[in-house]
Amino acid sequence: DIVMTQSPLSLPVSPGEPASISCRSSQSLLHNNGFNYLDWYLQKPGQSPQLLISLASNRASGVPDRFSGSGSGTDFTLKISRVEAEDVGVYYCMQARQTPLTFGGGTKLEIK
Amino acid sequence: QVQMLQSGAEVKKPGSSVKVSCKTSNGTFSSYTVSWVRQAPGQGLEWMGRIVPIIAVTNYAQKFQGRVTIIADRSTSTAYMELTSLRFEDTAVYYCASGLIEGGNTLDNWGQGTLVTVSS
Repeated sequence: DIVMTQSPLSLPVSPGEPASISCRSSQSLLHNNGFNYLDWYLQKPGQSPQLLISLASNRASGVPDRFSGSGSGTDFTLKISRVEAEDVGVYYCMQARQTPLTFGGGTKLEIK
Repeated sequence: QVQMLQSGAEVKKPGSSVKVSCKTSNGTFSSYTVSWVRQAPGQGLEWMGRIVPIIAVTNYAQKFQGRVTIIADRSTSTAYMELTSLRFEDTAVYYCASGLIEGGNTLDNWGQGTLVTVSS
């Protein structure tokens, strides 16, 4: 199974400041079609997870452009250019390269 | 947008089974895969398995092999997840999540979750 490792575990950020979350996979998520099969999900308090970014850098419908994803192979990053109060929750990366699908342990973003 | 409506909370005894349903709407059921993901209290997300309804093919995580069965009823656009031989540690919120078949394994839409409590 592919192991996903996220950091940091907790991320306190002041409103308007940037934030960055790292995700590493134990195997390359780069397919021979050129796509990296890495997704980002946000689970807001008391809610179901929601898709933010697929294929490492494609924002899902309705996701604000302050969210961006980058990376290739085994190293990926989710960036929020200016954090807003509504961004609080736990962020998960997930490898979609192969089953079993596996998630990172999560990064809890909180507002300072 | 595809919506996924799950069945209600369950309380089960150790050793029993639970069956959770997930009805999809506003989408073509046959165009999607349906995965089941669980989240124990205060813990992260754990993928259990999935089904491709149009061909009724399933994949299960090794951890749940032999205890979990996922089926799909195309006539009602409903997927089901049955977990047997329940243990206390199976207490969790169980989510169904769908994704377009051509979208790889991305989970675009999630149900509201079903709390399963295993208690004696």
